[in-house]
Amino acid sequence: GNSVTQMEGPVTLSEEAFLTINCTYTATGYPSLFWYVQYPGEGLQLLLKATKADDKGSNKGFEATYRKETTSFHLEKGSVQVSDSAVYFCALSGASNTGKLIFGQGTTLQVKP
Amino acid sequence: NAGVMQNPRHLVRRRGQEARLRCSPMKGHSHVYWYRQLPEEGLKFMVYLQKENIIDESGMPKERFSAEFPKEGPSILRIQQVVRGDSAAYFCASSPVPGGSLDTQYFGPGTRLTVL
Repeated sequence: GNSVTQMEGPVTLSEEAFLTINCTYTATGYPSLFWYVQYPGEGLQLLLKATKADDKGSNKGFEATYRKETTSFHLEKGSVQVSDSAVYFCALSGASNTGKLIFGQGTTLQVKP
Repeated sequence: NAGVMQNPRHLVRRRGQEARLRCSPMKGHSHVYWYRQLPEEGLKFMVYLQKENIIDESGMPKERFSAEFPKEGPSILRIQQVVRGDSAAYFCASSPVPGGSLDTQYFGPGTRLTVL
């Protein structure tokens, strides 16, 4: 079945460091891929998405490229800020048109000043 | 345009009681999804509903859990005879259509259920 695997956290970085959070997936068909962010005590917010191979999603300095050949959707940011501290979830939507999302286990990012 | 609304934000129940969680989707969205987030885990799909129809309930526990999305009013996730293992954050999401370029789900703030 479809699944998403994220790198384990927590990831601890200093401010202005480069961020990569790995995400790989297994899926039948051509799912859409998403990154969601969850700040402490809050719900999930859509960070970025890509709907087909080689698409690059970007938002707030974050970006991720839909790589079909490596079944990956790694999240990157060139210079993190303390305010980026949160839990990041990679997700895919099934190709069955029910639209349900399948999430990775989440990666906690801690950015220190 | 108001986002997805959920209430209550926090709910405390004793074992054996019933829990009712409400979700109002974004305006114009007719597709609602419920997810559960257990402590230190990711979100797990529970059920997908359209108005008056359950489309996919493959993630719902077979007993004690039910969901509805009536023609009028919010979607309701109902948990009967709660047990401590039901303690979790329950998130509702809505979307305009599933699949294709519009298959983006927007999440509510969640209801945090604590079972004593």
